[in-house]
Amino acid sequence: NAGVTQTPKFQVLKTGQSMTLQCAQDMNHNSMYWYRQDPGMGLRLIYYSASEGTTDKGEVPNGYNVSRLNKREFSLRLESAAPSQTSVYFCASRETGSPGANVLTFGAGSRLTVL
Amino acid sequence: AQKITQTQPGMFVQEKEAVTLDCTYDTSDPSYGLFWYKQPSSGEMIFLIYQGSYDQQNATEGRYSLNFQKARKSANLVISASQLGDSAMYFCAMSQGYFNNAGNMLTFGGGTRLMVKP
Repeated sequence: NAGVTQTPKFQVLKTGQSMTLQCAQDMNHNSMYWYRQDPGMGLRLIYYSASEGTTDKGEVPNGYNVSRLNKREFSLRLESAAPSQTSVYFCASRETGSPGANVLTFGAGSRLTVL
Repeated sequence: AQKITQTQPGMFVQEKEAVTLDCTYDTSDPSYGLFWYKQPSSGEMIFLIYQGSYDQQNATEGRYSLNFQKARKSANLVISASQLGDSAMYFCAMSQGYFNNAGNMLTFGGGTRLMVKP
């Protein structure tokens, strides 16, 4: 049972570099999400995708882009990394459209450091 | 706007005792969901328990129960018979509106670090 798989687990970037965080889920979930977690804080939503082909901004979308490549995959791109984007990034997915579809399943997280 | 507050940055509990982690929330929407997640030192987020705003009874999942007091806008997590493996960060979260819709996002509190003493 792989669940939600994120890559890479760790990454160090220099200011201005770009990178893409990859996320894939094997649970046939409709909705996928990207969150960031800063030290000592809870998670904040960056972007989400309610279904294949749609994406929407969350609470903190500036500096990020996303792509819902297919039902399984949802990537997060930093076009020009900034030190303020140093964080742990979590991908999550869940089923929607049915009663009790409440549980978000998270990936293991990707720790990004921008120097 | 919705808001989740966890006022206990850190707590200690003796192994085998019960512990309550506090969570208060603020929303103007009559339909909402309340969640608790556990984050061990390994970093993953583990779903523990869910309570809907219209649920009549408090949610329970094994050793976890959610003490839902709607009038007080509180959703405290109670862990019975604490184990060493319960040492972790615990996050309370809320969805505004019926969480069935993908766009009804989860808002997280700042977390409480629980440490279980042997």
